Amino acid sequence: LAKTTQPISMDSYEGQEVNITCSHNNIATNDYITWYQQFPSQGPRFIIQGYKTKVTNEVASLFIPADRKSSTLSLPRVSLSDTAVYYCLVGDGTGRRALTFGSGTRLQVQP
Amino acid sequence: NAGVTQTPKFQVLKTGQSMTLQCAQDMNHEYMSWYRQDPGMGLRLIHYSVGAGITDQGEVPNGYNVSRSTTEDFPLRLLSAAPSQTSVYFCASSYSSGINEQFFGPGTRLTVL
Repeated sequence: LAKTTQPISMDSYEGQEVNITCSHNNIATNDYITWYQQFPSQGPRFIIQGYKTKVTNEVASLFIPADRKSSTLSLPRVSLSDTAVYYCLVGDGTGRRALTFGSGTRLQVQP
Repeated sequence: NAGVTQTPKFQVLKTGQSMTLQCAQDMNHEYMSWYRQDPGMGLRLIHYSVGAGITDQGEVPNGYNVSRSTTEDFPLRLLSAAPSQTSVYFCASSYSSGINEQFFGPGTRLTVL
């Protein structure tokens, strides 16, 4: 299973852009990179997924360099409601291996 | 669609008791999994299933059993509850494990005395 490493915590202020980087040095050719968000007392919620280069949706962007050994989740103009734990996962694109979560990054957004 | 449902929401057990945590999904997903989350920690995979009749162990399977007799249901059984199993348990499902969004249930908060 590809292991991921993320910062334990980050602080930001409302309106700022937040970038959370995840390291996954032993990512395999079939692996995709997925980010989840978790609020207290709730299950994680899917944010974004990508394989290479850049992916953007209505809530975030995901940047993946050519070697795919890391990825960066970018949250534009965060608000207080973005305070949560963010998890980076590396998953097998064939669907035959299980997904595992690491410890995640605890983002605290202040006014 | 109800999505992923879990019952019960809360449960208190005494050491040595057994119980089954229920999980059901109505999205016709092949992949289902159980995680536990201890306070202030990330999620750890207990067991998972890639389809009806197929289950496998995750990172922390000891003390838990699962079965997958139907696509919809994936119950988690605690054989003999221990205080170390006090945790929040999440069930999740997706079309497959790798590249598809996982949908999580609301969780079951279990306390073992």
